[in-house]
Amino acid sequence: KAGVTQTPRYLIKTRGQQVTLSCSPISGHRSVSWYQQTPGQGLQFLFEYFSETQRNKGNFPGRFSGRQFSNSRSEMNVSTLELGDSALYLCASSRGTDTGELFFGEGSRLTVL
Amino acid sequence: GENVEQHPSTLSVQEGDSAVIKCTYSDSASNYFPWYKQELGKGPQLIIDIRSNVGEKKDQRIAVTLNKTAKHFSLHITETQPEDSAVYFCAGGGAGSYQLTFGKGTKLSVIP
Repeated sequence: KAGVTQTPRYLIKTRGQQVTLSCSPISGHRSVSWYQQTPGQGLQFLFEYFSETQRNKGNFPGRFSGRQFSNSRSEMNVSTLELGDSALYLCASSRGTDTGELFFGEGSRLTVL
Repeated sequence: GENVEQHPSTLSVQEGDSAVIKCTYSDSASNYFPWYKQELGKGPQLIIDIRSNVGEKKDQRIAVTLNKTAKHFSLHITETQPEDSAVYFCAGGGAGSYQLTFGKGTKLSVIP
């Protein structure tokens, strides 16, 4: 069974640009969550999608957005990048029918210069 | 919202010794408490979890205990091995949402 796949794995952007990250969940999983991981703040919840609907949203500015497609694949977008957006962005999938195990991908490491 | 605090931030033990990591949570409605292990360059991986209707759970060398009254839970690793070296995260969730709130992590080093 294939795991959670995130692309790209590494990317470098400059301030003011925008970026789109992609996540393919485990087959059969309908929930996709996104987390930002930094050395200072740790793992912080961005948002969670279930059946194409955003079900929960963390405390991040509106520059951070996401969506989920009918095949459960998800994308997140960050517009007007700031230096502080440099982080590892982790996607996690789950069945979504109860609070249970999250299966994480290996992340997309974003560096903003 | 939920707040999860984790201690210690770093922990060094000799191979074969036990390691204990402790977490506290603030939201009494939380009912799901997983522990994740993150190795360098990889995403977090679930190693054990516990729900609020259980006080203790064990899986080979790993055990988790939960004290709902005090709102704290702990991870116990016995007979530590060098491959146990990693960053461990506790988390709390289930308080009416599907998101997890993570602790800041504990870097465990097992010295051969």
